[in-house]
Formats: sequence, structure tokens, C-alpha cells
Amino acid sequence: DAKTTQPNSMESNEEEPVHLPCNHSTISGTDYIHWYRQLPSQGPEYVIHGLTSNVNNRMASLAIAEDRKSSTLILHRATLRDAAVYYCILRDDGSGNTGKLIFGQGTTLQVKP
Amino acid sequence: DAMVIQNPRYQVTQFGKPVTLSCSQTLNHNVMYWYQQKSSQAPKLLFHYYDKDFNNEADTPDNFQSRRPNTSFCFLDIRSPGLGDAAMYLCATSRDFSAERSYEQYFGPGTRLTVT
Repeated sequence: DAKTTQPNSMESNEEEPVHLPCNHSTISGTDYIHWYRQLPSQGPEYVIHGLTSNVNNRMASLAIAEDRKSSTLILHRATLRDAAVYYCILRDDGSGNTGKLIFGQGTTLQVKP
Repeated sequence: DAMVIQNPRYQVTQFGKPVTLSCSQTLNHNVMYWYQQKSSQAPKLLFHYYDKDFNNEADTPDNFQSRRPNTSFCFLDIRSPGLGDAAMYLCATSRDFSAERSYEQYFGPGTRLTVT
């Protein structure tokens, strides 16, 4: 299974944009890039996913490098409620896939008021 | 409008005493997953069901079993809990895992298991 590398922690000020990086240099052609986050004392929550093109939804944007070896999750205006552990996960959706998520250690985001 | 429900939220059991955790979903999803998350660690998949087909992860201990009597419910049975099984147990569902589209997973709030 392809691996991802994320910084252990990041800090942001409230109402400022946050860019959370993820490296995945061994990504294969059938790997989707998924982002989940886990707020304190809750189960993980889906944020966004993409394959090749940049993606936007109501929660965030996902910028994917042209060679797909890295990606960045963008929170456009961080709020205190965005403080969480953010997981960047590669999910193999090729033949034989089971949809399973292999979580790395993630990035703990702290948001300062 | 809870979609993935886990009961109980907190469970205390004694060393060696069998315990069952439950998960139910209102999403009518085909796939149900069980993850284990130990303190300060990332979630780790134990097994999953696609409909009635059970798939065990290679490194899941035999002490852990699962049942899915119908689409809505899935149970995690720990036959003889040890101190090392204390963790948060997370249930998740997904519509499918089609190769054509990458479906997201919906997680429940988890059950925190304490073993005394």
C-alpha cells in the first residue's frame, strides 16, 4: 500500500487560510487521494478526495500536483472548529480494491483565536 | 439524523470477559468496516463486510470476530479481552468500493472500551 508523509503538527490563526501538505511519491495510477479529519473524541470525517484534478467542496479544496506525488488540503478560512487531526490517505481503487483506508499518523492542526 | 450509530459509547469489561459492541446504519450501505484506534494512534482496520461477505485483515487477532445479521447492523465480538484491547472501536460504512468511483466512508462516533 502506498504511503503518505505529513507534518506531525501545524498551527494556524483563526480566519486565515491553512495549507496542509502531503507527500505521496509512490502513488500509483489507480490511487485516489483522500482526506479525512478527526475532531477530538469523534470518529473520522470525510473531507475531500481526488484523482488528478483539483477539487473543491463546501469544506475544503484539494490541490494535486501535476505528477501526483504530492497534494495540499486547503482550508480557506480556519475556524476553531477546524482543530483536528487531518489524515491524507491513498486509496487503491484498482481491481481487487476493498475501499479500506490505511491511516498514517496525520497532521494535528491547532487553530489559535 | 444520525447515520452511523454505535452503542454503547463507553464500555467497561473485565479481563477475559466476552464483550460485544454494536453498530447500526441508516444509509443502506453495502459495506461496513470495523477499525481499532488505540490511544494517540491512527485507526487500524480490523475487518469489513461487503453485504454478507466477511473479509478479515491478515493481522487481526482471532480474538476478534464480527457478525452482520442484516444490512443495517454489524457487531464486533471480543471473545477474551486483554488489557491491550483497550481502545476506541470505530464502525464505518461505505456505499460500495467500485473501481469506477471512490466512495467515501462514514464513521460512527466510536465505542471506547476499557478493560479492567
